[in-house]
Amino acid sequence: AQTVTQSQPEMSVQEAETVTLSCTYDTSESDYYLFWYKQPPSRQMILVIRQEAYKQQNATENRFSVNFQKAAKSFSLKISDSQLGDAAMYFCAYRPYSDRYNNNDMRFGAGTRLTVKP
Amino acid sequence: DGGITQSPKYLFRKEGQNVTLSCEQNLNHDAMYWYRQDPGQGLRLIYYSQIVNDFQKGDIAEGYSVSREKKESFPLTVTSAQKNPTAFYLCASSIDPRTGSAFFGQGTRLTVV
Repeated sequence: AQTVTQSQPEMSVQEAETVTLSCTYDTSESDYYLFWYKQPPSRQMILVIRQEAYKQQNATENRFSVNFQKAAKSFSLKISDSQLGDAAMYFCAYRPYSDRYNNNDMRFGAGTRLTVKP
Repeated sequence: DGGITQSPKYLFRKEGQNVTLSCEQNLNHDAMYWYRQDPGQGLRLIYYSQIVNDFQKGDIAEGYSVSREKKESFPLTVTSAQKNPTAFYLCASSIDPRTGSAFFGQGTRLTVV
């Protein structure tokens, strides 16, 4: 089964600074999708950014960007100009791209708690 | 408004009792998922369903059961066989599991008393 690893249980960043959250994954698939989700104290899961493995260009959404290294199976999230509202749990997630009927599950890492200091 | 609705938000269960968590979506999504969230362990997949009348076990299906009789609904039953059911449960749906990201409900906090 595919696994997703987030090696940083907690991170902190000064407001307006940049922080990078790490994620690695293990898969034998060649085509898949990777996601970063944010979970604020309300516990509502919010999609931050999405990357398709077949695309070489790294995804960007405003202040959020990823560094996708397919060979290294690495998918880090960079948050620029950090804001107080960015404080949350961040989860990395993986989903295979497959036509097989029973291979459509979505796997999450253990999460990184981000604190933003004013 | 379209979305995913989980109910109830908080649920208390006595030991030895079965309890059912509701998950309804009006997004016309095919795939639906149930996850369990414990502190320090992220989200773990319990069950998922790609279409009506079919579902697959995830990593921690023991002690849980599901049904998918309607596209809109994917209830999760926590049975008495689940030895440590106290947790936060999240339901999600996705229009196409090969291309779409998942949309989540607001969760149900289950506590065994």
